[in-house]
Amino acid sequence: NAGVTQTPKFRVLKTGQSMTLLCAQDMNHEYMYWYRQDPGMGLRLIHYSVGEGTTAKGEVPDGYNVSRLKKQNFLLGLESAAPSQTSVYFCASSYSGQGRQPQHFGDGTRLSIL
Amino acid sequence: SQQGEEDPQALSIQEGENATMNCSYKTSINNLQWYRQNSGRGLVHLILIRSNEREKHSGRLRVTLDTSKKSSSLLITASRAADTASYFCATGRSNDYKLSFGAGTTVTVRA
Repeated sequence: NAGVTQTPKFRVLKTGQSMTLLCAQDMNHEYMYWYRQDPGMGLRLIHYSVGEGTTAKGEVPDGYNVSRLKKQNFLLGLESAAPSQTSVYFCASSYSGQGRQPQHFGDGTRLSIL
Repeated sequence: SQQGEEDPQALSIQEGENATMNCSYKTSINNLQWYRQNSGRGLVHLILIRSNEREKHSGRLRVTLDTSKKSSSLLITASRAADTASYFCATGRSNDYKLSFGAGTTVTVRA
C-alpha cells in the first residue's frame, strides 16, 4: 500500500519552461490537494479537487493549472515557470473534506526555477 | 491567509522532557488536526480533535482544545530524539472544503 506517491522528487527548471507534477493515491480518496511549502510560510493551498473531473482554486492558484481526469491521479502544471515558484510541492488526499478526516501526504517534489 | 498560528516558532528540549506547543486560530472551526513533518518528508497526521471535544490522547501525545479562546495545545511527554520534527496545526471549517495550516513549531530534542 503506497499511499500518496509524487513524481518527480526533484527537478530544476529554467525560467519559462513548463512541467507537470504527478500525484497518485491508492486509497480511493475523493479529495485531493496541491500545496506549496516555503520557509516560514507553512503550507499554502494551490488547487484542490473534490472528486474525479472537478478542480477548484485554493489560496495561491496563479501560475498553476490542475487536472483530475482519473480519481487516483491529480496533476499540477506550471505553464511558464518563474523563480517565485521555487518551492517544495506536496500532494495530499483525504476521504472527505472540511477537515473531518486526516489528510495523507506524499513526500514532496523539490522544484528549483533558475 | 493562515488560519492557525503556532507558538513558539522553535523549541529545544532535553530528551525525557515534555514539549508543549500552542495553536491559535481566528474563526470558528469544526475540528483541528495536528501533523508532524520530519526533515525532507511529507506531513504525517497525529491527532484530530472535534470542536465538541476538549482533550484527546494518543500514546505520548495529548491535545487540548479551548474553543472559547480559539486555541489548542499539543503536549509531547517524555520526548525522544525521534520526536525532532516540525509540528503543524490545521483547522477545518464547515463552509470550507480545505484545511488551513499554520507555519509550524520546530522541535529539537537533544540527547
